[in-house]
Amino acid sequence: AQTIHQWPVAEIKAVGSPLSLGCTIKGKSSPNLYWYWQATGGTLQQLFYSITVGQVESVVQLNLSASRPKDDQFILSTEKLLLSHSGFYLCAWSQGASAETLYFGSGTRLTVL
Amino acid sequence: QQQVRQSPQSLTVWEGETAILNCSYEDSTFDYFPWYWQFPRESPALLIAIRPVSNKKEDGRFTIFFNKREKKLSLHITDSQPGDSATYFCAASASSGSWQLIFGSGTQLTVMP
Repeated sequence: AQTIHQWPVAEIKAVGSPLSLGCTIKGKSSPNLYWYWQATGGTLQQLFYSITVGQVESVVQLNLSASRPKDDQFILSTEKLLLSHSGFYLCAWSQGASAETLYFGSGTRLTVL
Repeated sequence: QQQVRQSPQSLTVWEGETAILNCSYEDSTFDYFPWYWQFPRESPALLIAIRPVSNKKEDGRFTIFFNKREKKLSLHITDSQPGDSATYFCAASASSGSWQLIFGSGTQLTVMP
């Protein structure tokens, strides 16, 4: 069975500080990987997707970057956090040739002060 | 530009009633429409999905009705239970090589006992 693990569970960071969030998928070879962001009470905004190691595509510009250093790992990062980065970050995976059914991780809650 | 719209923003029904959640879209290339539900402080999970080849998809108490001509769909929850209280997201994607799953703004459903 596939499992998706996100870390950390929660973070409280200062404006201007760096950030790194991680996601690991086990039990699935060559998954399609996604990062989504959700403001409190808001919708799910897709940030990035990756269909293969080393290749990441950006969907929206939010002063964030993503990388896929391994087949089963997806990293979201920034060098300088903004207040607007606060929210719920979700990693997800899918199989097949498109973004249809996504399976989400448990998410990371980020508070920027 | 909102490509997937949902209404109402919030909905309260009594236990046993039928809840109706609405969704509309703009892009004619969308051909896969999943509904996700999200409980407080949890990540979204797939509830039910439909493709335009059908105008109805049923899974227990949950039914999607789809109107391709009007680009509208609705989720009907019959015999609503307090445990159905959650935020429901309608989403859409184009299955042919698209890597974006676009979510609506969500409907917060409360089922009163």
